[in-house]
Amino acid sequence: TQLLEQSPQFLSIQEGENLTVYCNSSSVFSSLQWYRQEPGEGPVLLVTVVTGGEVKKLKRLTFQFGDARKDSSLHITAAQPGDTGLYLCAGPPSGTYKYIFGTGTRLKVLA
Amino acid sequence: DVKVTQSSRYLVKRTGEKVFLECVQDMDHENMFWYRQDPGLGLRLIYFSYDVKMKEKGDIPEGYSVSREKKERFSLILESASTNQTSMYLCASSLEGPGLADTYEQYFGPGTRLTVT
Repeated sequence: TQLLEQSPQFLSIQEGENLTVYCNSSSVFSSLQWYRQEPGEGPVLLVTVVTGGEVKKLKRLTFQFGDARKDSSLHITAAQPGDTGLYLCAGPPSGTYKYIFGTGTRLKVLA
Repeated sequence: DVKVTQSSRYLVKRTGEKVFLECVQDMDHENMFWYRQDPGLGLRLIYFSYDVKMKEKGDIPEGYSVSREKKERFSLILESASTNQTSMYLCASSLEGPGLADTYEQYFGPGTRLTVT
């Protein structure tokens, strides 16, 4: 069974702090996507990483794909209350027709 | 921007009723999906469709059916609603399908929160 485990599961931090969310698997993925879902809404695509070792920045968010394409991380610098939400990683395991979602990290940033 | 719309944000139905959830996308995407999202269980795929009139079962298809008569529209049908189908239902679309492209991005609608009493 291909799984995407995210850690931590829950995170509550103060505005201005930095944080990192991890997405790990024992399987190789063709790519990984990161989504953010706000309460009562559908997930919104943030970024796609494709190449092993790739780093992408989206304002204060930095996404990295592991060299072996089995893991990814999301780092947020100087978190703001608007960053609050459920962060999901997802992707297609290589050589399959599946699309797997991670277990999710629920982030709350306090003002 | 891709826009995926769902017919209702909130829906309350009685046990045994037939329920239709509608989803429309405006970006000419080939692939459309229905998920349900429950606390502690994450997103689970119910059905997906990679072309008009084509459908494939996902991980939890029991108690559901789907219809895709037009490319832009994908409907989820609960033949006889039960209380264990109370959930958040999310529709998504993508340009390419899994296994066909390395980048495989899904675009979601706002969700329908269904309560079955």
